[in-house]
Amino acid sequence: EPEVTQTPSHQVTQMGQEVILRCVPISNHLYFYWYRQILGQKVEFLVSFYNNEISEKSEIFDDQFSVERPDGSNFTLKIRSTKLEDSAMYFCASTHGGIYEQYFGPGTRLTVT
Amino acid sequence: RKEVEQDPGPFNVPEGATVAFNCTYSNSASQSFFWYRQDCRKEPKLLMSVYSSGNEDGRFTAQLNRASQYISLLIRDSKLSDSATYLCVVNSVRDDKIIFGKGTRLHILP
Repeated sequence: EPEVTQTPSHQVTQMGQEVILRCVPISNHLYFYWYRQILGQKVEFLVSFYNNEISEKSEIFDDQFSVERPDGSNFTLKIRSTKLEDSAMYFCASTHGGIYEQYFGPGTRLTVT
Repeated sequence: RKEVEQDPGPFNVPEGATVAFNCTYSNSASQSFFWYRQDCRKEPKLLMSVYSSGNEDGRFTAQLNRASQYISLLIRDSKLSDSATYLCVVNSVRDDKIIFGKGTRLHILP
C-alpha cells in the first residue's frame, strides 16, 4: 500500500538555524499539506499546496516558513530561523483532491534548543 | 463558537461497551468530514469518512447532521486496541481549509 514518507524522523537544531523537513507524498496525489502538533495539543494546519503553488496558509505560516516541490516527488517545509516555540511534530499529508481523505506521513519531531 | 469542537474526554470505558463521540463545527460551508484516530506520538490515521447518509464499517458507525452541524462516531463492542485519541476533521474545500478538533482520548479498560 502506498504511503507518505518523511525524513528525518527527528531533527534537533539550535535556535536561529534553518531546517528543512522532507516529505515524499503518495505518487498520484495532487494536493499536499503540512501540519504541526505541539506536544499535548491539537493538530494545526500550516499550509496546502496544489499545482506548484500555495493554495491556503494559516496564520502560523509566517515569513519564516516556506514550502517547495523541487523535483516532482519531494515536498519540503523550510523554517528559516527556528524559534523555541517551533518545537513540535510536523506532519506531511497528501490527497487526490481537496474533498478526499488525507493520508499522513509518520512525522518529523523537531526540537529547537 | 470554536471551529471544530469535540467532547473533552478522556473516556474510560470497559471492554465490550459501546462508546459515542460527538463533534460540532461552525463553518456551514464545510464539505467533507472525517474521523481519524491518533495513537500516542504517531500520525493521524483515517478511520472513516462521514457521509450525510451515515456510514458503517464493522463496529464503527459515523453520522452527519448538516442542519445541526454535528458529526458523531459510535464504536460498538469496544476492544483494547481501540484505545487512542479520536479526531474529528472538517474540510472546507472553498478555502482549502482543514480543521482538526482537539480530539477525545479513549481508554478501553480490561
